[in-house]
Amino acid sequence: GAVVSQHPSRVICKSGTSVKIECRSLDFQATTMFWYRQFPKKSLMLMATSNEGSKATYEQGVEKDKFLINHASLTLSTLTVTSAQPEDSSFYICSASLLAGQLGTTGELFFGEGSRLTVL
Amino acid sequence: SQQGEEDPQALSIQEGENATMNCSYKTSINNLQWYRQNSGRGLVHLILIRSNEREKHSGRLRVTLDTSKKSSSLLITASRAADTASYFCAMDTGGFKTIFGAGTRLFVKA
Repeated sequence: GAVVSQHPSRVICKSGTSVKIECRSLDFQATTMFWYRQFPKKSLMLMATSNEGSKATYEQGVEKDKFLINHASLTLSTLTVTSAQPEDSSFYICSASLLAGQLGTTGELFFGEGSRLTVL
Repeated sequence: SQQGEEDPQALSIQEGENATMNCSYKTSINNLQWYRQNSGRGLVHLILIRSNEREKHSGRLRVTLDTSKKSSSLLITASRAADTASYFCAMDTGGFKTIFGAGTRLFVKA
């Protein structure tokens, strides 16, 4: 149980285009999902908390208009990088948390496999 | 800083040896978790230790937590080449926000 699927795993795009990354919870409903950015050999930096049916909560320094997050259903959150630039190239990872006890979990996070974005 | 701190940043050992990674944090926590990340992949949860626990075991993994020192350690015993990965501690500070440490890159030589 508690599988999170992220798509696409790799995407290459030209500067100025928009890229959408999907994060799906396959066997549970996730009212809250998290989006992270990870630079090479670095830790995960939380970008925003995605709440189903409401606006995402962004971390300080993260541009809301650049990184659009939509959590339209209990199983899907999307991150759209708008007008992507080379400096947006990175590894983006989503995660979902379950309340302790759901699906036998203890409150840990479940991660997607990540999406590597390369902007030319 | 958003991150907790981990040391060492990188660790290279021989297969069969034990690997110890340390994590320190600054705020109070509900629990502390350890995750593993293979290169270019997502994170996999290894073990969770609650703030009222001091030690926890899972297979070859042993985690300790010292809330007075705000630190935790992860010990991997009898390491294998397949243990090569990055390991992150993550602090649940409440409010749905989990803060990750900087990570330790472990390389186990066969």
